[in-house]
Amino acid sequence: AQSVTQLGSHVSVSEGALVLLRCNYSSSVPPYLFWYVQYPNQGLQLLLKYTSAATLVKGINGFEAEFKKSETSFHLTKPSAHMSDAAEYFCAVSGTSYGKLTFGQGTILTVHP
Amino acid sequence: ETGVTQSPTHLIKTRGQQVTLRCSSQSGHNTVSWYQQALGQGPQFIFQYYREEENGRGNFPPRFSGLQFPNYSSELNVNALELDDSALYLCASSVGQGTNYGYTFGSGTRLTVV
Repeated sequence: AQSVTQLGSHVSVSEGALVLLRCNYSSSVPPYLFWYVQYPNQGLQLLLKYTSAATLVKGINGFEAEFKKSETSFHLTKPSAHMSDAAEYFCAVSGTSYGKLTFGQGTILTVHP
Repeated sequence: ETGVTQSPTHLIKTRGQQVTLRCSSQSGHNTVSWYQQALGQGPQFIFQYYREEENGRGNFPPRFSGLQFPNYSSELNVNALELDDSALYLCASSVGQGTNYGYTFGSGTRLTVV
């Protein structure tokens, strides 16, 4: 079985500051890991995914995440926050052959001017 | 290339009624999954269809059922609606049934049960 824990339901940063959103996972098989972003009243947009290639994954909009097996973590970072980054972010894991995604509870990112 | 489109965008139903939600997959995608996202929660997997067959199901009762058509569009049917069924229902499509192919999500249908 797979599970995801996102540490911090709300994160607030200033514009231009580092963004760090934390995700820890549990998986009985080698995982596939994802970060999605959701803007108000919209669906999910894929930011990046880890599928057992490079451990440092670069995504869209300047985001990246590092897979650390020893820490069972897949934290999302962005060096400099922009106002348009304000949204809810979801970490997800899958280890099944048919592709079921298990999502975390989400982290709402607020960016202050 | 068109994305995943869902209809309707919003829907209000009465407890005990039945509802059908629709999803058109992204062009070339043969796999579709449905998720339920309650307010303030992450999406929960309902089921997945691959080439018109259900090939995975989450912890949802049988009154949640689905169909995938030869053109790979899909329906989610919910019978005997309950208040707790109020949620955003998301459809996601993929070019294959494995997770490594990646999923494209639609904007969802907001269902309110009163």
